[in-house]
Amino acid sequence: DAKTTQPNSMESNEEEPVHLPCNHSTISGTDYIHWYRQLPSQGPEYVIHGLTSNVNNRMASLAIAEDRKSSTLILHRATLRDAAVYYCILRTDSWGKLQFGAGTQVVVTP
Amino acid sequence: GAGVSQTPSNKVTEKGKYVELRCDPISGHTALYWYRQSLGQGPEFLIYFQGTGAADDSGLPNDRFFAVRPEGSVSTLKIQRTERGDSAVYLCASSSVPTTEAFFGQGTRLTVV
Repeated sequence: DAKTTQPNSMESNEEEPVHLPCNHSTISGTDYIHWYRQLPSQGPEYVIHGLTSNVNNRMASLAIAEDRKSSTLILHRATLRDAAVYYCILRTDSWGKLQFGAGTQVVVTP
Repeated sequence: GAGVSQTPSNKVTEKGKYVELRCDPISGHTALYWYRQSLGQGPEFLIYFQGTGAADDSGLPNDRFFAVRPEGSVSTLKIQRTERGDSAVYLCASSSVPTTEAFFGQGTRLTVV
């Protein structure tokens, strides 16, 4: 399975944007890029996913590099509720096992 | 229900005992996954069901772990002869087709003493 590399932690001030990088240099053509987040004491929660084009939804935006070897999750205005571990995951289109890494711990300060 | 339900939310058992953890997926979801998560780590894949059959059980650590989904909805994760190293949060997730959004339950915290 293709692997992802993320920073261990990132800190942001409240109401400022947060850019979370993810490297996936061994991505294959059929791998989708998924992002999940996990708030304390809860199960992971889907954030966004994409294949080649940038994606936007109510939670975040996903910017995918042209060569697909990296991507960036963008939280436009961080709130205290966004403090969580964010996981970048590659998922094939044939079936749906999610391989979680260690993720990035996002700390939001008021 | 509106989401994935896992019972019990907490389970304390003695080393060597047998435990069952239950997962009620979202109605109509054909794909069901079990993960376990140790403190400070990301969830670790255990097994994936598509309907009633286990499509991939490569993550089960050994033969003490077994999971079933007899009618294609509720699933039970069974652990025999529990060991202290089995202590973790066991997470269940479901999705409508393999590559769409997976919905996770709150997990069952298993503590083996």
